[in-house]
Amino acid sequence: AQSVTQLDSHVSVSEGTPVLLRCNYSSSYSPSLFWYVQHPNKGLQLLLKYTSAATLVKGINGFEAEFKKSETSFHLTKPSAHMSDAAEYFCVVSGNTGNQFYFGTGTSLTVIP
Amino acid sequence: DTGVSQDPRHKITKRGQNVTFRCDPISEHNRLYWYRQTLGQGPEFLTYFQNEAQLEKSRLLSDRFSAERPKGSFSTLEIQRTEQGDSAMYLCASSRTGQPQHFGDGTRLSIL
Repeated sequence: AQSVTQLDSHVSVSEGTPVLLRCNYSSSYSPSLFWYVQHPNKGLQLLLKYTSAATLVKGINGFEAEFKKSETSFHLTKPSAHMSDAAEYFCVVSGNTGNQFYFGTGTSLTVIP
Repeated sequence: DTGVSQDPRHKITKRGQNVTFRCDPISEHNRLYWYRQTLGQGPEFLTYFQNEAQLEKSRLLSDRFSAERPKGSFSTLEIQRTEQGDSAMYLCASSRTGQPQHFGDGTRLSIL
């Protein structure tokens, strides 16, 4: 069975400092992994995806994530937080058919001015 | 690319009433998904269409829920005899095969 664990429900950083949002996954095969961002009362926007190519994936808005199979992790990072980054972030793993997607419970990012 | 559109954005109804939501996917996207998201949780998969065929349904989708995509374009999600526990955000997403999903802004359902 596939599952995703987001290790922090809330992360708070100062503007201009690095961001680290942690995600571990469980899968019996080689999954596709995604990070989405959700601003209040909005749908989800894709930040980046991993689909078995390069293990370091670059996304939009300066975010990137590294797939580490040995650690079953797919942590999201950004070198310097911006106020506009404050939102809810979801780590997502695909099901074995590629048709279902399993979301983590989300990490709320607060950026302090 | 006009994005995924959902209507209405908000729906307030009394318990026991039926409600129907509509989703217009990005044109030429053959796949369409419905999710439910409750407060403080990630979206939970409900069902998925490839063109007009409903290929997968979650166990979350009780017999009070029905979804259709009659012409392989827009989709509707109907909830019959609504219950308090149905209060949630209902999200629609669409994609091309093998590509990431694009989400709409959702329909927030409140049951009085």
